[in-house]
Amino acid sequence: DIQMTQSPSSLSASLGDRVIITCRTSQSVITNLHWYQQKPGKAPKLLIYRASSLPNGVPSRFSGSGSGTEFTLTISSLQPDDFATYYCHQSHSPPLTFGGGTKVEIK
Amino acid sequence: EVQLVESGGDRVQPGGSLRLACAVSGFTFSDYWMHWVRQDPGKGLVWVARINSDGSSTSYADSVKGRFTISRDNAENILYLHMNSLRVEDTAVYYCVRASDNWGQGTLVTVSS
Repeated sequence: DIQMTQSPSSLSASLGDRVIITCRTSQSVITNLHWYQQKPGKAPKLLIYRASSLPNGVPSRFSGSGSGTEFTLTISSLQPDDFATYYCHQSHSPPLTFGGGTKVEIK
Repeated sequence: EVQLVESGGDRVQPGGSLRLACAVSGFTFSDYWMHWVRQDPGKGLVWVARINSDGSSTSYADSVKGRFTISRDNAENILYLHMNSLRVEDTAVYYCVRASDNWGQGTLVTVSS
């Protein structure tokens, strides 16, 4: 099974801060790595697909990079709507796996 | 607009069975692989099962293998999850997911005596 290590598990940041979340996989997933945002009581929402692609409607302050086993999600300037939990997810091979999540809170 | 609407969540006793359904609209269902993902209350996301576009291939998490069955009806645009021998640890919100992009709102399964 492909293990996912997401860090940090939580962070406190201020509006306008640059935030970086990392995800490492135990073996290469090429670019089959996706990022989701989840708010309490809601379903996850796709933020980045295939490591670096932005779906329609997702603000350009979100970006993703990486390939192989190391990936990052960057929020260039944290906005009020961005306080949420973020998950990485590999769809390269079953069993598909998720990172443990990063909770982004207001400092 | 892509829509995925889960139903069938309920409270059931350990050892019981349940069938979840996910009705989809707004896209060509038969073109997409589909997944079930669950989330324990207040915890992280766990992939449960997936099925390919024509239903000929399935994969399962080890924790549900032999107890859960994923299936689909491409004529009716419905994804199913048949859950047998339910355990307390299967308690979770179950999400229907299209490929890796669109998620339903989830349906709550509670396994408790």
